Parts: sequence; structure tokens; C-alpha cells
Amino acid sequence: AQRVTQPEKLLSVFKGAPVELKCNYSYSGSPELFWYVQYSRQRLQLLLRHISRESIKGFTADLNKGETSFHLKKPFAQEEDSAMYYCALRDQGAQKLVFGQGTRLTINP
Amino acid sequence: DAGITQSPRHKVTETGTPVTLRCHQTENHRYMYWYRQDPGHGLRLIHYSYGVKDTDKGEVSDGYSVSRSKTEDFLLTLESATSSQTSVYFCAISESVTSEAFFGQGTRLTVV
Repeated sequence: AQRVTQPEKLLSVFKGAPVELKCNYSYSGSPELFWYVQYSRQRLQLLLRHISRESIKGFTADLNKGETSFHLKKPFAQEEDSAMYYCALRDQGAQKLVFGQGTRLTINP
Repeated sequence: DAGITQSPRHKVTETGTPVTLRCHQTENHRYMYWYRQDPGHGLRLIHYSYGVKDTDKGEVSDGYSVSRSKTEDFLLTLESATSSQTSVYFCAISESVTSEAFFGQGTRLTVV
């Protein structure tokens, strides 16, 4: 069965420092991976997906099939990046979208 | 925001009572999902639907049932609410298996 693991529940960094939110997955097929973000008092929304290979708000994520990872990175954190981040995997065979436990990112001024 | 509305937004109910949460969409998307969000557990899939009258279980389906008689509505029912079902419930919709999922505002359910 598919599984998504985000090992850090909380992550705190200073403004301007690099950020890396970890995501590991287990899936027997070809995964489709996403990062979703939930800002305070807002709906959960898509941040980026691995197939588009684009950078959103300075964030990037690379799918590493060898390490079964999809870590989210940003070289210089900004205060507005403070939010809850979820890594997600789509199980195309069963049409499910499965999420990790989430990481709460806090950017300190 | 995508046309997705959850109702009610907040509810307090007593243990043992039935509760139904509604998810309504105006996007005509095929896929609909119900999740619960709990601290330390993130978002866990309860049930999902891939078409009218086509539903399947997620990872935490015990104690929950769903129905989808129309494309636009996906109902989540707690037949007999328990305190462990106190949570924030999110509905999501997706046009296809490869497209983005859009989320509702969430329903905060408290079972006392």
C-alpha cells in the first residue's frame, strides 16, 4: 500500500535561511507526487507537483526514485512561507490521493 | 476559489447521534474525497468517490459511510458519533486522476 512520511512535525528557520521539508514515500508503481500548503485561515491549496517541474514562490521539489523522496526546498525563506505543508501521493491504480502527516513551518524574523 | 462548499462549517453533537456532513461542488468534477485532519496524523482519507454511486474506502473508513447520488453532492455520515470522531473534516474535488485537487473550507465537528 502507498504511504507518505513527513518525518518533521515542526520546522523552524530564520528568515533568509534555506529551507528543506522532507518527504519520503512508499509505492510500488510510478508515483505522482505533490506538495500542498495551508496558510493560516486559508484552504489547503496546491503548491507544486513533480510532473510540472516548476518553481512556485521560490520552492522546488525533485522526485528521487532511488531514495523514494520528494523533498521541498527553498534557498531563502521568507516570513510569508510560514504555513502547514503536506506532501501527497496519488495512487493512480486506486485513484486515491494520500497525504503525509504534515510539517508546520515557522519562519522567524 | 473552486466552487466547493462544505456544510455545516461547525457542529457540536452528542455521542451516539447520527451526523451528516455535506460537500457540494459546482465544477462538475468526477472525483470527490473526504478527509479528516488531526494533529500528528495530518490528512487521512476516509472515503472517496470516482463517479455517481461509485465510492470506495480510504484508510480510516470505520464508523463512516458516504453517498453520492448526484455529481455535485458527496455526503459523509457518522452513523453513531463517537468522541474519537472529533476532528476537522475536509472535502476535496478533482477533475481527473492527474489533475489538481481543490479543497473545501473544512467542517469542525466536536462530539461530546
